[in-house]
Amino acid sequence: GQNIDQPTEMTATEGAIVQINCTYQTSGFNGLFWYQQHAGEAPTFLSYNVLDGLEEKGRFSSFLSRSKGYSYLLLKELQMKDSASYLCAVRDSNYQLIWGAGTKLIIKP
Amino acid sequence: NAGVTQTPKFRVLKTGQSMTLLCAQDMNHEYMYWYRQDPGMGLRLIHYSVGEGTTAKGEVPDGYNVSRLKKQNFLLGLESAAPSQTSVYFCASSYVGGTGQETQYFGPGTRLLVL
Repeated sequence: GQNIDQPTEMTATEGAIVQINCTYQTSGFNGLFWYQQHAGEAPTFLSYNVLDGLEEKGRFSSFLSRSKGYSYLLLKELQMKDSASYLCAVRDSNYQLIWGAGTKLIIKP
Repeated sequence: NAGVTQTPKFRVLKTGQSMTLLCAQDMNHEYMYWYRQDPGMGLRLIHYSVGEGTTAKGEVPDGYNVSRLKKQNFLLGLESAAPSQTSVYFCASSYVGGTGQETQYFGPGTRLLVL
């Protein structure tokens, strides 16, 4: 079966750095996405990786290792507004998106 | 640009009632999707459409039907609602960019409670 694993919840301190991991087992791979979802709101696109390596976008970076079936989202200089759930999704060989359950990130002052 | 809009925002149904959820997008996207999101679970695809007049089943299609009569609209129907269909429903639309990346844009969601 297809599976996306992420930690359920993480806590970090304002101003610090946090890394959210995602491991996946899917039938084929055609890209990995990270989305941010604030409570009660819609998911919004953060990043996309299709090749191995690090993609940096401001305070957020995303890393991919296809051989290990692994990705992480790195958030730097954490702000209170970064408190949200972070969803990892993988596009499989049928070009369907398989979604993880999300990681709830709690930021403390 | 309104992006992706959904109506209604919230609805309470009794078991056995029917209803239609409407999704509209003004971005001229070809692809549209209906998901449900339940606590502790990832988004699950109900049905999707790759263009006007075409629809296909996703991961959890039972109990739902869809129609895409116009490119900008994607309707999700519940013929006979069941308590198991209590959920938050998200519509999304997407296009394939020049690099082959397809990014989905989500509507605000519809919260459905079936009693």
